[in-house]
Amino acid sequence: DGGITQSPKYLFRKEGQNVTLSCEQNLNHDAMYWYRQDPGQGLRLIYYSQIVNDFQKGDIAEGYSVSREKKESFPLTVTSAQKNPTAFYLCASSAWDRGHTEAFFGQGTRLTVV
Amino acid sequence: DAKTTQPPSMDCAEGRAANLPCNHSTISGNEYVYWYRQIHSQGPQYIIHGLKNNETNEMASLIITEDRKSSTLILPHATLRDTAVYYCIVRVAWGDNFNKFYFGSGTKLNVKP
Repeated sequence: DGGITQSPKYLFRKEGQNVTLSCEQNLNHDAMYWYRQDPGQGLRLIYYSQIVNDFQKGDIAEGYSVSREKKESFPLTVTSAQKNPTAFYLCASSAWDRGHTEAFFGQGTRLTVV
Repeated sequence: DAKTTQPPSMDCAEGRAANLPCNHSTISGNEYVYWYRQIHSQGPQYIIHGLKNNETNEMASLIITEDRKSSTLILPHATLRDTAVYYCIVRVAWGDNFNKFYFGSGTKLNVKP
């Protein structure tokens, strides 16, 4: 079945360590996104990518990095520079079309800094 | 970019219609209105979208005011499984910065027996 897979579902990290969250899609979508969600809050855009080898900062990119070497994959690295990394991270993808296009979301990765 | 305003929470009796309002007073002519919902600790799920006209699908109806400054999502017969956070989103459909989805804080809908 087509969809988006995020792994792992739960992740624990020690302070000062970098950690990479995986996001893979088999929907043949050009666009991919990373969002962060804090308890009781909405989703905030971290990074997005319109096409392979290109990505743009969203509203809260500081302390995060991404790469887009393959169409199917858009990994997010939470660096030690991110001051408050504990959150729920959601990856999404969509066709890069004008007019209507639907964003499909993964099931998320819950990151906890211990 | 347009932003949305939604009430933080609403209650609805099971079997009754749930009407969820959204204000997007700064929406531009090239921005669609989308609705998604998120059940606890899962990824958001698409419900419906619209540009100018009212829309209906198997899940819900979307009513957009003539001036496009607000909209209402209608779940005609709410069930307990409809308890979720509902997000009203604007998305730039063409032009600069198109295809970015902007999420607000959403409305927590509590469907009660």
